[in-house]
Amino acid sequence: DTEVTQTPKHLVMGMTNKKSLKCEQHMGHRAMYWYKQKAKKPPELMFVYSYEKLSINESVPSRFSPECPNSSLLNLHLHALQPEDSALYLCASSQRVAQNTEAFFGQGTRLTVV
Amino acid sequence: GESVGLHLPTLSVQEGDNSIINCAYSNSASDYFIWYKQESGKGPQFIIDIRSNMDKRQGQRVTVLLNKTVKHLSLQIAATQPGDSAVYFCAALGDKFYFGSGTKLNVKP
Repeated sequence: DTEVTQTPKHLVMGMTNKKSLKCEQHMGHRAMYWYKQKAKKPPELMFVYSYEKLSINESVPSRFSPECPNSSLLNLHLHALQPEDSALYLCASSQRVAQNTEAFFGQGTRLTVV
Repeated sequence: GESVGLHLPTLSVQEGDNSIINCAYSNSASDYFIWYKQESGKGPQFIIDIRSNMDKRQGQRVTVLLNKTVKHLSLQIAATQPGDSAVYFCAALGDKFYFGSGTKLNVKP
């Protein structure tokens, strides 16, 4: 199993809503990542988890709150988002942080904030 | 910080021709590089990787070349097919993965 599974595939939320994005992998990877991708742009790193601990936060606003409940799951909690937060949110995993192995990406959650 | 960029934002090729996509990086400490393919509405898909102790690596129809002297890597796709149409990103690994700006490959039948 070389899959990273993200749910939901699409999400529309209002600016006062609270929602969560979910990511799951069963490859035994101990590094997991959240990226944000706007149209026609490369993925931008948001958070890195290493062994279930947050190791990198790329100065992401607090309205985005990551959580890693166990080694297979990664969540991104969303609250009071702005329309400019609309984007494709990608989850990825790799064996270890900063190790020379590929990162596997999920198919993303297309988020629209209205 | 790391900068990884691409020379050509859009590349159009005829089906059956070879494609070459280029990428430059700025951090000489990067020692691992990946090419990803991203189709519309999907996540990036791994194509091929190369470590800094190599200058060439071949896969099925794809070849990655790494020139550490000028901090440049390229992706060559042989006999380009319509299914190769996508955006291609290079990524360099320092303390984390940095992505280049992407090249859109259009394959004309």
